[in-house]
Amino acid sequence: GESVGLHLPTLSVQEGDNSIINCAYSNSASDYFIWYKQESGKGPQFIIDIRSNMDKRQGQRVTVLLNKTVKHLSLQIAATQPGDSAVYFCAERSRAGGTSYGKLTFGQGTILTVHP
Amino acid sequence: SQTIHQWPATLVQPVGSPLSLECTVEGTSNPNLYWYRQAAGRGLQLLFYSVGIGQISSEVPQNLSASRPQDRQFILSSKKLLLSDSGFYLCAWSAGLAELEQYFGPGTRLTVT
Repeated sequence: GESVGLHLPTLSVQEGDNSIINCAYSNSASDYFIWYKQESGKGPQFIIDIRSNMDKRQGQRVTVLLNKTVKHLSLQIAATQPGDSAVYFCAERSRAGGTSYGKLTFGQGTILTVHP
Repeated sequence: SQTIHQWPATLVQPVGSPLSLECTVEGTSNPNLYWYRQAAGRGLQLLFYSVGIGQISSEVPQNLSASRPQDRQFILSSKKLLLSDSGFYLCAWSAGLAELEQYFGPGTRLTVT
């Protein structure tokens, strides 16, 4: 079945380093991808998204790369800060059965720990 | 601006008791609404979604039900809770037919004892 998974369940970095969080997806029909950040005890917070007709998108200190050939998604965080410590989820959207809603399938998440 | 509310924030309920979790959205009309459950240290599992008042779709068979009595109100219920219903419940919304990004509420931590 379709799935979205993460290569690394945990990632520890030093403050100021760049972080890269990876995600693999298996549904080639997915047309939209999102990265969420979830701090402990809180709801997921949108970070950045990318459509399948793009291969790169940049935000503030974050970049998402999409490689459709190998079905791989990554989130790059520049100059990682202690406040970036959280669980990061990737999610893919694939339209099922012609429905108009955007069903998202989430990966299991990567725990990012930033050490001062 | 749009905001999404959930309550209660935390809840401890005995096995066999009923459940009612509420979610409301402000600042938007006719949103798509979603209920997710997140087990400890796990990803999000979609439970229900709704594209309009009274329209509920269930993603997985379970002990829970959902209702949408008003455009911006989404309720998650159970008649008799099971231990396995414990978890972190998240409500989310997305804009109508152009929906892509989903916005999440603060969540409800449910512990069934």
